[in-house]
Amino acid sequence: NAGVTQTPKFQVLKTGQSMTLQCAQDMNHEYMSWYRQDPGMGLRLIHYSVGAGITDQGEVPNGYNVSRSTTEDFPLRLLSAAPSQTSVYFCASRSRGETQYFGPGTRLLVL
Amino acid sequence: GENVEQHPSTLSVQEGDSAVIKCTYSDSASNYFPWYKQELGKRPQLIIDIRSNVGEKKDQRIAVTLNKTAKHFSLHITETQPEDSAVYFCAASMGIRNNDMRFGAGTRLTVKP
Repeated sequence: NAGVTQTPKFQVLKTGQSMTLQCAQDMNHEYMSWYRQDPGMGLRLIHYSVGAGITDQGEVPNGYNVSRSTTEDFPLRLLSAAPSQTSVYFCASRSRGETQYFGPGTRLLVL
Repeated sequence: GENVEQHPSTLSVQEGDSAVIKCTYSDSASNYFPWYKQELGKRPQLIIDIRSNVGEKKDQRIAVTLNKTAKHFSLHITETQPEDSAVYFCAASMGIRNNDMRFGAGTRLTVKP
């Protein structure tokens, strides 16, 4: 049972490039979320999903897309990276209980 | 949407002293309030949580209190130890069927030996 996994661990992008941050969980959790963490600002919700095929916007969705084609996977897409998207990204999942389990994070640097 | 404010942003205590971190929330519909601990370079991990039908919850040296009327909740750590040093986050959400969880900005706790 690997829990919540994220790839890559670290990524450097140039402004305007696109990329996908991968998130997977093997706990059969219905609920999955993406957060970004910036110094002094805590964790801010980007997008979330309450089940396969269902996604919704969180607090800071602009510049990011998500999809949920399977229960296990919840990728986050940056269509045209900007320096303001430099951050640490955490994926999280939970079952119908409320305890969220976080992945190890992806550190993204946009130049 | 929900807005969560957390104070203080930094807190330094001597080993053995108590530490208190406070949070306020804006949406009276919020009913689930977790606290997370994040060590440097690691992922946030749940340390304790409380639901709106409970006023206080304890787990060994950690306790959380909730005042629904005033819309604030607090984390209390007693007999602090150097390994308690970390960043602590409070959060609020509307429970099981709502995945929109909002976090406070965090408190960096330093426990001096």
